[in-house]
Amino acid sequence: AQSVSQHNHHVILSEAASLELGCNYSYGGTVNLFWYVQYPGQHLQLLLKYFSGDPLVKGIKGFEAEFIKSKFSFNLRKPSVQWSDTAEYFCAVIQDSNYQLIWGAGTKLIIKP
Amino acid sequence: DAMVIQNPRYQVTQFGKPVTLSCSQTLNHNVMYWYQQKSSQAPKLLFHYYDKDFNNEADTPDNFQSRRPNTSFCFLDIRSPGLGDAAMYLCATSTPLGLAREQFFGPGTRLTVL
Repeated sequence: AQSVSQHNHHVILSEAASLELGCNYSYGGTVNLFWYVQYPGQHLQLLLKYFSGDPLVKGIKGFEAEFIKSKFSFNLRKPSVQWSDTAEYFCAVIQDSNYQLIWGAGTKLIIKP
Repeated sequence: DAMVIQNPRYQVTQFGKPVTLSCSQTLNHNVMYWYQQKSSQAPKLLFHYYDKDFNNEADTPDNFQSRRPNTSFCFLDIRSPGLGDAAMYLCATSTPLGLAREQFFGPGTRLTVL
């Protein structure tokens, strides 16, 4: 079965620290890749997405992610986090053969002020 | 603005009392999805429609049913809610064209079962 792995379930950082959240997927074909964010008590929002082209994609709020096809990875990065980045982050993949999003388990990010 | 709307945002029901959640979309997307999301977990797909073609996930309980009377609306019926069905229910839409199958999510309905 296809799967998406997020390496860290909980991450705690201080403000201004750099962030990298790992995401790996198992499907070998063409994929669309997404990072969603869920702030406390709020609904899912799209942070960024990769469909094709430049493998380095920029999203909202200073986030970016790099698609490395050879590593089946789509890691999320931010050079300097803020307290307001405290949220849960989900990586998700759609395969070219169907419509279903395959979700990672999520990473809960806590930023200490 | 084109969007996915869910009503109500909060629903309280009693154990065993049927409840219906609704979703509407102005995006004119062919595909609509219902997800269940429990606290600190990823959304779990319950079913999806491609137009009127209904697709049930294998592990979706029979207690959950869905209707899609037209392109714009989709309903989730929980016939006999149990305490374990308390969760956030998310509706999403997408277009099947090409590979750009980004899913657009509604704000969710938080279901409480007493």
